[in-house]
Amino acid sequence: AQKITQTQPGMFVQEKEAVTLDCTYDTSDPSYGLFWYKQPSSGEMIFLIYQGSYDQQNATEGRYSLNFQKARKSANLVISASQLGDSAMYFCAMRDPIGVNFGNEKLTFGTGTRLTIIP
Amino acid sequence: NAGVTQTPKFQVLKTGQSMTLQCAQDMNHNSMYWYRQDPGMGLRLIYYSASEGTTDKGEVPNGYNVSRLNKREFSLRLESAAPSQTSVYFCASNQPQHFGDGTRLSIL
Repeated sequence: AQKITQTQPGMFVQEKEAVTLDCTYDTSDPSYGLFWYKQPSSGEMIFLIYQGSYDQQNATEGRYSLNFQKARKSANLVISASQLGDSAMYFCAMRDPIGVNFGNEKLTFGTGTRLTIIP
Repeated sequence: NAGVTQTPKFQVLKTGQSMTLQCAQDMNHNSMYWYRQDPGMGLRLIYYSASEGTTDKGEVPNGYNVSRLNKREFSLRLESAAPSQTSVYFCASNQPQHFGDGTRLSIL
């Protein structure tokens, strides 16, 4: 069974500093994908970044990057130059393909990290 | 969260009452999902539908039923609500990054 572990329940970071949110995973499937989501206090789930297990390079999306270390089974989210608006819950998730159609997949989520940016 | 619409956004029920949570997507996606989110536990999959006409259990299906009415709509039904089903419910479609805004459900 797949498992996602986020060991940091909460983090406090000074504004403009970089922050790393930890995520480790466990799967026996050689093909997998990892997602990061942001959930602000308003409650919606916002997709941030995706890394496939066969991707050669670490994924980047603006200020977000994914530090993917396959041998260590870790997929840490790095936020550069943090902003007050980055304060939110962050969830790491792993896709579990269902069926044969590409894009059909369900997610296993970690328990999340609450990030607070201090002015 | 354009594309996935959940109704209602809030609901309070009494124990034993029934209700249906509605979800619709306009992106022509095949698969749809229902998750629940409880404090400290992340999101857990209740049921999913890989395509129109099929549904399957997820991690926590007990106490729920689902209907994939057509390709657009996937509803979640609580037949006899229990306080343990107090949670925030999220619907998602296909590439799971398309989440609805959630339904906050309280059962007294």
